[in-house]
Amino acid sequence: AQSVTQPDIHITVSEGASLELRCNYSYGATPYLFWYVQSPGQGLQLLLKYFSGDTLVQGIKGFEAEFKRSQSSFNLRKPSVHWSDAAEYFCAVGAWNYGQNFVFGPGTRLSVLP
Amino acid sequence: DTEVTQTPKHLVMGMTNKKSLKCEQHMGHRAMYWYKQKAKKPPELMFVYSYEKLSINESVPSRFSPECPNSSLLNLHLHALQPEDSALYLCASSQDQTGRLFFGEGSRLTVL
Repeated sequence: AQSVTQPDIHITVSEGASLELRCNYSYGATPYLFWYVQSPGQGLQLLLKYFSGDTLVQGIKGFEAEFKRSQSSFNLRKPSVHWSDAAEYFCAVGAWNYGQNFVFGPGTRLSVLP
Repeated sequence: DTEVTQTPKHLVMGMTNKKSLKCEQHMGHRAMYWYKQKAKKPPELMFVYSYEKLSINESVPSRFSPECPNSSLLNLHLHALQPEDSALYLCASSQDQTGRLFFGEGSRLTVL
């Protein structure tokens, strides 16, 4: 079975600073990897996803993530954080069958200082 | 239309009540999901319907009863809930083998 860890429970950055959120996964086959963002009281929004091909994927809102198979990682990055980026971020891994088993990491809460 | 719509957005119920949460999508997706999310925790999978048939039940108590009347609708019937069942209930759907889950905004349930 697959699993996901996000080592940082809470990160605080200043507006305009760069950001990296860490994600490590465990899965026996090629994973399908995702980053979701959730604002307080809201549903989940997909930021980006990786299935195959180029290991650097671009997402919405200026986010990108890099898949590193050797490190079992899929870290999320943004070069310049905006105050509106403050939210909870979830990394997830999907095992592929229809009606998929889709596992979320514990989440990282991002706070942004003005 | 790329939305998953959930109603109601908020629900308060007593432990003896019977209520239902509803989820609707018109994207032609054939898999639909219920997740439960407690505060400051990731979503946890409850049920998966694939082609209107229950394919995954993650050992959810019988006081939660899912129903998929057709490919666009997913219900979660609630009966005799406990206060610890208070949470955000998220519905999601997916179409194909690209793994994209579309999530609704959720129904926030409070059990008194």
